[in-house]
Amino acid sequence: GAVVSQHPSWVICKSGTSVKIECRSLDFQATTMFWYRQFPKQSLMLMATSNEGSKATYEQGVEKDKFLINHASLTLSTLTVTSAHPEDSSFYICSAKWGTGTMNTEAFFGQGTRLTVV
Amino acid sequence: GESVGLHLPTLSVQEGDNSIINCAYSNSASDYFIWYKQESGKGPQFIIDIRSNMDKRQGQRVTVLLNKTVKHLSLQIAATQPGDSAVYFCAEEDYGKLTFGQGTILTVHP
Repeated sequence: GAVVSQHPSWVICKSGTSVKIECRSLDFQATTMFWYRQFPKQSLMLMATSNEGSKATYEQGVEKDKFLINHASLTLSTLTVTSAHPEDSSFYICSAKWGTGTMNTEAFFGQGTRLTVV
Repeated sequence: GESVGLHLPTLSVQEGDNSIINCAYSNSASDYFIWYKQESGKGPQFIIDIRSNMDKRQGQRVTVLLNKTVKHLSLQIAATQPGDSAVYFCAEEDYGKLTFGQGTILTVHP
């Protein structure tokens, strides 16, 4: 299957600083990328959907000014957590889809990034 | 919004047994369903999917059943192995976006 790579796998940062997480599709062009957040022992919650070259669409309750998403190319999307606080500590996961029609097609997931804010 | 839920949060089985993980969904407009396996500290791994025009689909050791009448989805794992121990999520797709269920922790005892 297609490969989606996230970097870094884990990161520890100080409260108030910003952290950037990268999501790359290694062997396909990702028309659409998705960012999820997962707290311990909970399910994945969709944060936002990004299409290459356009602004991300955020889910209700997700602060777009805090979680900056950039999808500048068909193989790279980035999530920047700005002014991070301990409550932002979580497991962040991206997924990507290819093709012009993204409905009913498999989404490929990255390995996730564990963010710890101290 | 509507959500996908699971009946059982945990499931313990003996190695070699068959496992059945259930999922109830509420969005009747969903037309694509997927089961994922997630191991600790990793992203979800695709297991099997099914479209709403089907009621059964088989893969290697896994079968997904879809009952649209009662909005129920199940994952059957044959001859469960210790390596199958993980959290299993069902997900439904609506307009390209996935909504995940709560998850079931499957523990396989040798």
